[in-house]
Amino acid sequence: AQTVTQSQPEMSVQEAETVTLSCTYDTSESDYYLFWYKQPPSRQMILVIRQEAYKQQNATENRFSVNFQKAAKSFSLKISDSQLGDAAMYFCASSSGGYQKVTFGTGTKLQVIP
Amino acid sequence: KAGVTQTPRYLIKTRGQQVTLSCSPISGHRSVSWYQQTPGQGLQFLFEYFSETQRNKGNFPGRFSGRQFSNSRSEMNVSTLELGDSALYLCASSSFSGSGGELFFGEGSRLTVL
Repeated sequence: AQTVTQSQPEMSVQEAETVTLSCTYDTSESDYYLFWYKQPPSRQMILVIRQEAYKQQNATENRFSVNFQKAAKSFSLKISDSQLGDAAMYFCASSSGGYQKVTFGTGTKLQVIP
Repeated sequence: KAGVTQTPRYLIKTRGQQVTLSCSPISGHRSVSWYQQTPGQGLQFLFEYFSETQRNKGNFPGRFSGRQFSNSRSEMNVSTLELGDSALYLCASSSFSGSGGELFFGEGSRLTVL
């Protein structure tokens, strides 16, 4: 069984600043994937970034990057140059086992202060 | 390309009734999964279908069921509704047959049980 833990229910960041959202996970699988999804208010959830566990290099997508610490089972998301449009719920998630069954964390609500 | 479409968007039912929710995935996507989102429990995996076969099921009672048609459209049914079934039901599709693929979410069906 997989578990995903997000210990920060809410966070805030000043516009143009950098913020890091924390996530830890647990899995018995050797082959797994990690994700960060963003759910803006009243809008569809979208993928922010994806990491394959067998890749040591941290994934990066424009202003979004991750710090993947496999031994510590940690997968944090860094948002640089925060923008008002980044305000949303952010969910850390994992999947494995050959199926599209994704386990989500409880989410972190990010507020961006102008 | 049209996104994932869920109908109805909102519905109100009373305890004991049943409800059917529909999901049309992105064209070409054969994997469809369903999630229940509530403030208290977060996102919980319900089930996943691939090519009309249920490949995985979450820890929900038998009142929750689903199916997938040959055109990949999917429905989920909840019978004998309980107050605790009030939630946002999210459908997601993927072009991946295995784990690790990006999930594309619909806007959800918000169910209120009175």
